[in-house]
Amino acid sequence: QQQVKQSPQSLIVQKGGISIINCAYENTAFDYFPWYQQFPGKGPALLIAIRPDVSEKKEGRFTISFNKSAKQFSLHIMDSQPGDSATYFCAARSTGNQFYFGTGTSLTVIP
Amino acid sequence: ETGVTQSPTHLIKTRGQQVTLRCSSQSGHNTVSWYQQALGQGPQFIFQYYREEENGRGNFPPRFSGLQFPNYSSELNVNALELDDSALYLCASSLGQDEKLFFGSGTQLSVL
Repeated sequence: QQQVKQSPQSLIVQKGGISIINCAYENTAFDYFPWYQQFPGKGPALLIAIRPDVSEKKEGRFTISFNKSAKQFSLHIMDSQPGDSATYFCAARSTGNQFYFGTGTSLTVIP
Repeated sequence: ETGVTQSPTHLIKTRGQQVTLRCSSQSGHNTVSWYQQALGQGPQFIFQYYREEENGRGNFPPRFSGLQFPNYSSELNVNALELDDSALYLCASSLGQDEKLFFGSGTQLSVL
């Protein structure tokens, strides 16, 4: 059973456009929701994160929107750049600092 | 500040063999978690070690075992390898139960 569902599987965006990736969860005990960025041959790197008592968090071009009642959260990448081309994972933290990851979104930003 | 390092980077084994993967945590971090990332999937939690003891385990069979040493480095051992064990194995370190995980680049294991 997938604890965190992520969509779309892949995304192609023009340079300067907005990339949007969505995630949904069921377990209301999750208390921390990070997004990770992974380049080929590398491990995931923390990009931005949010707690469920906040509805939005912005860091530079990256914004997380969080809807607690709908149990959904999304990553928005503004002014997308070719260097943003990577795989993005949403995740949710359970008890004991155990993380459940989505299946990933492969983002390609076309120059 | 030294990041998380894993060795080896690539490994090829045959079914039924045993394998040991190694991880050095980021300087100052005392907690190590191991994740399995199958091709095209997100990482899946295997287990976590804190102060040399396992303190959390995901849905993996007992043939997946680990160790943490006094210097907080860690090993992941997999016995009786199966074809489905082929994956990228990621180590992540953190300070205690801090939510920020720092991942290594992983060990790519291929089981033939």
